[in-house]
Amino acid sequence: AQSVTQLGSHVSVSEGALVLLRCNYSSSVPPYLFWYVQYPNQGLQLLLKYTSAATLVKGINGFEAEFKKSETSFHLTKPSAHMSDAAEYFCAVRGSGTYKYIFGTGTRLKVLA
Amino acid sequence: DTGVSQDPRHKITKRGQNVTFRCDPISEHNRLYWYRQTLGQGPEFLTYFQNEAQLEKSRLLSDRFSAERPKGSFSTLEIQRTEQGDSAMYLCASSLAGGPHEQYFGPGTRLTVT
Repeated sequence: AQSVTQLGSHVSVSEGALVLLRCNYSSSVPPYLFWYVQYPNQGLQLLLKYTSAATLVKGINGFEAEFKKSETSFHLTKPSAHMSDAAEYFCAVRGSGTYKYIFGTGTRLKVLA
Repeated sequence: DTGVSQDPRHKITKRGQNVTFRCDPISEHNRLYWYRQTLGQGPEFLTYFQNEAQLEKSRLLSDRFSAERPKGSFSTLEIQRTEQGDSAMYLCASSLAGGPHEQYFGPGTRLTVT
């Protein structure tokens, strides 16, 4: 069975500071991993995905994530936060051989001026 | 607009009434998913279609819930005898088949049961 844990339901960073959002997964099979962003009153939008190719994945808006099998982690980072990054971020896992995507509980990112 | 659309965007209903939501996926996508999202939670998987076949259902999908995708295009989600616990955002997503393709989400239907 797959599961996802996002540490920190709320994260605040100053504009220009490093963004680090944590995601740990549990999967009995090699997983597919995703990060989505949800802006207020909008649908979820894909930031990036890991599908067993390169372990460092680059996404949109300057975000990237690194798949670390030994740590079962897929943390999301951005070198310099922008005010427009304020949103809720969801990590999701899908095991191969299943159609079900399991989402974490989300991390709300606040960017301080 | 060629994205995923959902109708209605908001629905207020009284407990015990039936409601039906519609989802129109991106036209070339043959996979379609329904999720439920409550405040402070991530989307919870409800069910999945490939073309018109419903291939997987969550245990969350009680016998009061039914979903269809009759011609492999749009889908409907019906909730019978609504309960206050059904109040949530219902999300639809679609994707291409054949691999770990990302899902494209619609804006959701917010259901309030009074």
